[in-house]
Amino acid sequence: AQKVTQAQTEISVVEKEDVTLDCVYETRDTTYYLFWYKQPPSGELVFLIRRNSFDEQNEISGRYSWNFQKSTSSFNFTITASQVVDSAVYFCALSENYGGSQGNLIFGKGTKLSVKP
Amino acid sequence: ETGVTQSPTHLIKTRGQQVTLRCSSQSGHNTVSWYQQALGQGPQFIFQYYREEENGRGNFPPRFSGLQFPNYSSELNVNALELDDSALYLCATSGFRETQYFGPGTRLLVL
Repeated sequence: AQKVTQAQTEISVVEKEDVTLDCVYETRDTTYYLFWYKQPPSGELVFLIRRNSFDEQNEISGRYSWNFQKSTSSFNFTITASQVVDSAVYFCALSENYGGSQGNLIFGKGTKLSVKP
Repeated sequence: ETGVTQSPTHLIKTRGQQVTLRCSSQSGHNTVSWYQQALGQGPQFIFQYYREEENGRGNFPPRFSGLQFPNYSSELNVNALELDDSALYLCATSGFRETQYFGPGTRLLVL
């Protein structure tokens, strides 16, 4: 069965601190996709990144970076120099492969990040 | 913003009633997926529509049903509402099996 675990329910940091959000997944598929979404208090899920299982290169986008390790089934997300606007719930998600593209999303329970000034 | 819109934004219903939620797709997207998000939980997949046909369904009873229209907009219908149906309902649109982009959601409260 497919499963996503985000063990950190809530994290609180002070502005400018670095913070890492953990994500561990389970799947029997050899081809799959991993995602991170951000959910601010307004409720809308904002897409941050998609990775397929064959692409283990780490990615950096501004203050955001992602570390994908198939050996440990992890896809961790780091925010460098956090800001108050980063406060939100962050979801890691997994989708199974259908002929080379993604199917429905399986979400973790989310990590609530609070960044205090 | 994604261009995905949902209506209404909030809704209050009583047990046993029926509700219809609506979603308009982002331009160029032909697939719509619906998710239910209970308070403090991650979204749970309800079903997906592609070219007006159901293309996958999660573990939800038949009283959850949907439609997709030729312009790719969609409806989620829930019959015989139960208290546990209170949740945020999220619609996501995409190209077929591509990255899903979410709307702002509809908050449903069942009393």
